[in-house]
Amino acid sequence: SQQGEEDPQALSIQEGENATMNCSYKTSINNLQWYRQNSGRGLVHLILIRSNEREKHSGRLRVTLDTSKKSSSLLITASRAADTASYFCATGGSARQLTFGSGTQLTVLP
Amino acid sequence: EADIYQTPRYLVIGTGKKITLECSQTMGHDKMYWYQQDPGMELHLIHYSYGVNSTEKGDLSSESTVSRIRTEHFPLTLESARPSHTSQYLCASSDRGGLASTDTQYFGPGTRLTVL
Repeated sequence: SQQGEEDPQALSIQEGENATMNCSYKTSINNLQWYRQNSGRGLVHLILIRSNEREKHSGRLRVTLDTSKKSSSLLITASRAADTASYFCATGGSARQLTFGSGTQLTVLP
Repeated sequence: EADIYQTPRYLVIGTGKKITLECSQTMGHDKMYWYQQDPGMELHLIHYSYGVNSTEKGDLSSESTVSRIRTEHFPLTLESARPSHTSQYLCASSDRGGLASTDTQYFGPGTRLTVL
C-alpha cells in the first residue's frame, strides 16, 4: 500500500485564497518532500522538510511536519490560477527511495 | 528545468509491437527510476537502478524490462505491447549522495503511451 496518502483528493478554491493539503504516512522517515505535477507532465520538486524540522517556508509555500502524528501539510498562500496542478507528497526513509502518495488535485479558479 | 529527457513524448502503437521508451539525464546521477501513472492517479514504481549494470523491479509488477549500460541512459522496453500497457511512463533520477542524501528526484516530461 502507498506510504503517503494525501487529503483531500481534490480541492477547488478562488484565486487569492489559501490552499491547504495534508499528507499522512505510515513508517518512520528521514524526510518528506512535496512535488507538483502539471497535467500530462513530469513532477517538479517543490520543497523538502527533514524529520528533525517542524516547519519550512519557500516563497508562498509553507510546509509543516508532525512526526508524532506522521503527517505533513502544504499551505499555498495567495493562490494563483497557475498553481492549478496535482500535488504529491513523498517520503524518504531507510530504503533510500521515495514513496509517493496519491496526490491532491488543486484547481484555482480565476 | 531538470536535465532529464524522455522520448517520445507521445506514442500510439498497435498491439503486439515492440517499443522502447528512452530516458537520458545529463546530471551524472547514479540512481534512475521508471514510474507508471494513469491519468489523475498515483505513481507506481516499476523499475529502478542504482548504477551501471544494476536494475531492480519496483513495487508494481510490470512486463517491461530495463537496462543500464551507461550512467546517463535508462531505456524501458516492452516486447509485445498490449492495451493494458496504455499509461503515462515517467522517468526520474537522483544523486547517490551520502548518508545525508535526501533522494530528491528529478523527473522527465513523461511518455504517454497508447496501445490500440
